[in-house]
Amino acid sequence: AQKITQTQPGMFVQEKEAVTLDCTYDTSDQSYGLFWYKQPSSGEMIFLIYQGSYDEQNATEGRYSLNFQKARKSANLVISASQLGDSAMYFCAMREGISGGSNYKLTFGKGTLLTVNP
Amino acid sequence: DSGVTQTPKHLITATGQRVTLRCSPRSGDLSVYWYQQSLDQGLQFLIQYYNGEERAKGNILERFSAQQFPDLHSELNLSSLELGDSALYFCASSVEDPELFYADNEQFFGPGTRLTVL
Repeated sequence: AQKITQTQPGMFVQEKEAVTLDCTYDTSDQSYGLFWYKQPSSGEMIFLIYQGSYDEQNATEGRYSLNFQKARKSANLVISASQLGDSAMYFCAMREGISGGSNYKLTFGKGTLLTVNP
Repeated sequence: DSGVTQTPKHLITATGQRVTLRCSPRSGDLSVYWYQQSLDQGLQFLIQYYNGEERAKGNILERFSAQQFPDLHSELNLSSLELGDSALYFCASSVEDPELFYADNEQFFGPGTRLTVL
């Protein structure tokens, strides 16, 4: 079973509108972290936002917010006021386990290609 | 700029050859992760080193090996290359301090090395 599922291979949004990119995850750990990364066509991986499993509030970073629904095991990324420069591949990722020397590897979803139209 | 450097940026080689990819982590980061991004497998964790020692292995082929040196830079060695090894190889680093709050052990990605095997 996939640990991270991104069901939208591609999404389109008009400039200045908001868009939600879906992510569901599967884990039996109580302590885990969820991340979103942006990968533009140039290839680099850019960290956007982080949500810890014990965080009571949804994470926000500028125009990015994470809609965290723990019971549903979903961690959707919301981008408000889309810009042309937001066109990129977006990856949801999870880190399982607890701190204290554990393996902190990231497990990635397959990504969603977002295209912002002018 | 994440502070993680990878060389070379591009590498073109032939099947059967051996190559070495190099990664310098951010100053102060003790942990290095290697990831492979290919069209069919997506982004996959290969291996992690922490302060010179191997910490965890993922989907790394036996033909691949890695090490982390005393100055904390890391090298990923790929041998007997096959066409299917063509991919973007990322290195990521993090401080991985078990005393830090979970969220602060973020992984910073380098720009990647694009390997093409002909």
